[in-house]
Order: sequence, then C-alpha cells, then structure tokens
Amino acid sequence: DAKTTQPTSMDCAEGRAANLPCNHSTISGNEYVYWYRQIHSQGPQYIIHGLKNNETNEMASLIITEDRKSSTLILPHATLRDTAVYYCIVFTGSGNTGKLIFGQGTTLQVKP
Amino acid sequence: SQTIHQWPATLVQPVGSPLSLECTVEGTSNPNLYWYRQAAGRGLQLLFYSVGIGQISSEVPQNLSASRPQDRQFILSSKKLLLSDSGFYLCAWTRGRIYNEQFFGPGTRLTVL
Repeated sequence: DAKTTQPTSMDCAEGRAANLPCNHSTISGNEYVYWYRQIHSQGPQYIIHGLKNNETNEMASLIITEDRKSSTLILPHATLRDTAVYYCIVFTGSGNTGKLIFGQGTTLQVKP
Repeated sequence: SQTIHQWPATLVQPVGSPLSLECTVEGTSNPNLYWYRQAAGRGLQLLFYSVGIGQISSEVPQNLSASRPQDRQFILSSKKLLLSDSGFYLCAWTRGRIYNEQFFGPGTRLTVL
C-alpha cells in the first residue's frame, strides 16, 4: 500500500492561499490521490481527488507532479473556517472494497 | 439525496458493559459501509468494512465486532467494553471503488469509565 507523508502542522493567513504538500513516492500507476479534511469533532469531509492531471473544484485545486510522487492541495483563499486537519490519502484496495487509510494529516491553522 | 445517520451521538459506559452503535444510510442502495475509530488526538483507524449484507471484513484485531443485517444498516458491537475502547466512532459509506468519495456520519463519542 502506498504511504503518504505530510507535515504535522502549518499556519496560513486568512485570505491567502494555503498550500499543503504531500509525498507519496511509492504510489502505483492506478492509485488515486484523495484529500479529506476534518474539522474538530466532525466527520471527515471529502475535498478532491486526482490520478495524473491537476484537478480543481469549488473547494480546492490539486496539483500532482508529473512523476506522481508528490502533490499539493491548494486552498486559494483560506478562511478561518478552513482550520482543520487535512488528510492526503492514496486509494488502497482492490476490487470493490474502497478502503481509505488515513494517516496523521496536517493540522492547518488559519489565522486572522 | 443520500444521508447517513449515527446514534447515539454521545455515550458514557462502564467498563465491562456491552455496546451497540448503529449506522444507517438513506437514499442509496448496496453501499460499501465502514466503521472508523479516532482516539483522542489521533488519526482515523479503519475498524471494519462491508461490501454487502452479512459480509464483514475486520482490519485490526480488537474487542469489537460488526454486523450488517440489512443493506443500509451497519452495527458496531462489543460484549464487554474496555477503557481503550473510548473514542470517536465514525461510520462512512461509499458507492464502491469507482466512486471513492466517502461520506461520513456525524459520529458517536464513546467514553468508557
């Protein structure tokens, strides 16, 4: 199973872009990169996922390097409500299981 | 639209007592279902997952068991709770491998005293 490495914590000023890095050097060709976040005392929330190409949705952008060994989640204009633990996950499993293995994540603190 | 329910929201139980947490999903059929636990200050640990009625896969050896008596119902149980069973229990569902966005319930905060 591909493992991910993220910084333990990061700070970001409100209104600025938050760039959260993730290393997944052992990712295999058919594994996706998923990002979730967990606001305190709530269940995790899906943000975005990608395979090879960069992806963008209403919440964030996902930049995946050409060799797919790392990626960056970008929150373009961070707000105080974006303070959360952000998990970078490589999809693990075969067939129909859909198992997601959560690591420790990055605690993002957005400051006024 | 699909919704996922968990109850109770909070629970305080003595050591050695039984446990039953329930999760139900509405608005979808044949979902994959998952139980996670998050101990205080820790990441999420996958406990069980199920791809269909009566089909349970356990991820870690533990004091807990899971059952799926109906397509959209997932139950987490224990015969005798331990102090180490305290934590935040989350149920999640997904439509399967292709659509791997997992939708999480509100969680149950269990304290074992």
